[in-house]
Amino acid sequence: DAGVIQSPRHEVTEMGQEVTLRCKPISGHDYLFWYRQTMMRGLELLIYFNNNVPIDDSGMPEDRFSAKMPNASFSTLKIQPSEPRDSAVYFCASSQSRGQIYSNQPQHFGDGTRLSIL
Amino acid sequence: SQQGEEDPQALSIQEGENATMNCSYKTSINNLQWYRQNSGRGLVHLILIRSNEREKHSGRLRVTLDTSKKSSSLLITASRAADTASYFCATDDYNAGNMLTFGGGTRLMVKP
Repeated sequence: DAGVIQSPRHEVTEMGQEVTLRCKPISGHDYLFWYRQTMMRGLELLIYFNNNVPIDDSGMPEDRFSAKMPNASFSTLKIQPSEPRDSAVYFCASSQSRGQIYSNQPQHFGDGTRLSIL
Repeated sequence: SQQGEEDPQALSIQEGENATMNCSYKTSINNLQWYRQNSGRGLVHLILIRSNEREKHSGRLRVTLDTSKKSSSLLITASRAADTASYFCATDDYNAGNMLTFGGGTRLMVKP
């Protein structure tokens, strides 16, 4: 089975540009998570969805960040306008709740998008 | 501060030796998970241990959980060079909507 697929794997762009990161979760999974990983702050949860509905976006750093999940097989994380401090590796993960709280199930991660804002 | 914090931050051992990593957390939890991350890759789930379990095994992995001390350990026996990676614990904060939070990780290097 295909795992979580993220694109692009690498993105280099100039400050002020719009950046869109994409994620395809594992088929049948009902939870989708967006994380950001940096050396300074480690792995941070930005937002998560359940059945395509955003549940908690308290980790989204600023209004410049937005995330959507138009259907069960696709999600985007958008940064507009981008700033150098947004440089990080962004991960998407998905999980299947099987009727339980999501933290009782393992999360499956994509290989991330390494974002560099110049 | 992070819910789960790993110790040590870095560990270097010879192939064949055992590696032990520890995780401490602050609040009540339902379960604790361990993940591995190879360089340039996403995290891979290794094992989940529930709050009512004390020990769990999976192949060369052994995880213990002590809820009275709010700590867990991950033991990798007979380590291999391929075990070189960062290892993270993740805990769900029972008092914060079961939000899953990750520690800062332990960087393990296994020398051949």
